[in-house]
Amino acid sequence: DAGVIQSPRHEVTEMGQEVTLRCKPISGHDYLFWYRQTMMRGLELLIYFNNNVPIDDSGMPEDRFSAKMPNASFSTLKIQPSEPRDSAVYFCASSLGSWRNTEAFFGQGTRLTVV
Amino acid sequence: DAKTTQPNSMESNEEEPVHLPCNHSTISGTDYIHWYRQLPSQGPEYVIHGLTSNVNNRMASLAIAEDRKSSTLILHRATLRDAAVYYCILLANAGGTSYGKLTFGQGTILTVHP
Repeated sequence: DAGVIQSPRHEVTEMGQEVTLRCKPISGHDYLFWYRQTMMRGLELLIYFNNNVPIDDSGMPEDRFSAKMPNASFSTLKIQPSEPRDSAVYFCASSLGSWRNTEAFFGQGTRLTVV
Repeated sequence: DAKTTQPNSMESNEEEPVHLPCNHSTISGTDYIHWYRQLPSQGPEYVIHGLTSNVNNRMASLAIAEDRKSSTLILHRATLRDAAVYYCILLANAGGTSYGKLTFGQGTILTVHP
């Protein structure tokens, strides 16, 4: 398996534009996670899914952020409208079973810059 | 949620052992202890995890205190490639609202000198 695949790797957009980040989890994994990383706040869990169903979205910063998982092999994180403070590296991760007793695999991340 | 406390930074010399401590005094009885690391410009990667007993794998060893209020990640022979941020994380028990929620703290920045 190629691991968790995120696209794009880099995104530069203007304030106010819609941004969509994409993630393909490892085949067979039933948990999917979205994280955001900044120097100031470190790694923050935004939302996670189990069997395509959102379990906890308490980390989503505000209504401008939304995440979907239409099927087991694809998820999106959308920001609309984007703001400069959304600039960060966004990571997607997947795991099999649960976090408790299995390892999670992270993608390479998408570096988002909002100007 | 149970929290962890780690030193902000540590330094080591190449080929020497490194002991990275983590305090988790409010750990619940069935919380798992996980360690991840993040190399520069990469996503985090799993290192090791345990519940009560000490654990070994090809990357590291995990020593868990008898009362489970602390643990230590041991890198037996540090290499330059081990320079990373190391995160100690508690995974909540099933059934609670935090089940499955992997929350990262600030971690320990490990510097390895040649």
